[in-house]
Amino acid sequence: NAGVMQNPRHLVRRRGQEARLRCSPMKGHSHVYWYRQLPEEGLKFMVYLQKENIIDESGMPKERFSAEFPKEGPSILRIQQVVRGDSAAYFCASSSQGRQFFGPGTRLTVL
Amino acid sequence: DAKTTQPTSMDCAEGRAANLPCNHSTISGNEYVYWYRQIHSQGPQYIIHGLKNNETNEMASLIITEDRKSSTLILPHATLRDTAVYYCIVRSSIQGGSEKLVFGKGTKLTVNP
Repeated sequence: NAGVMQNPRHLVRRRGQEARLRCSPMKGHSHVYWYRQLPEEGLKFMVYLQKENIIDESGMPKERFSAEFPKEGPSILRIQQVVRGDSAAYFCASSSQGRQFFGPGTRLTVL
Repeated sequence: DAKTTQPTSMDCAEGRAANLPCNHSTISGNEYVYWYRQIHSQGPQYIIHGLKNNETNEMASLIITEDRKSSTLILPHATLRDTAVYYCIVRSSIQGGSEKLVFGKGTKLTVNP
């Protein structure tokens, strides 16, 4: 059973470009979480989604960030007009029976 | 969710037991204690969780005090690969809630040869 998959693993963008991060949950999991880890800081919750629904987006920045989890395909975290402060590791997790299983993360670098 | 307090860092000799404490004095009756770890920039890894009874699995043991105000994660025979940041997280068990994890600063465990 493959674990949570994220791609790309590394992403470089210039200021003002868009970043799209993808997450495929573990087979049979329909809940996805996104977390962000800024350099030298802890993980911060961003958003919790079920298929076609955003359940909790209390951790999402008010502008430029959006997330979706369509009926088919991976969950997408989209960052528009990236700035240097968006440089971070973005982790996705899916859950089963109260446990969250994390992917390897996408490391976003904004030049 | 209740707040947790952990030591910033700990050291342990390879092969010895590592005992990582966590205080959660404001924990409420429906909240579980979860432990995760993050090995050098990898994704966090689930270790164990419990409500009030002690728990053991292939990775670790979790000892929760009778009043549930603190707990200890025990790695019985630490190896160099156990060097990581260990997070103690208290989370509600209520179904239908956000179920998000609130990570603190954790304990940086260094296992020395």
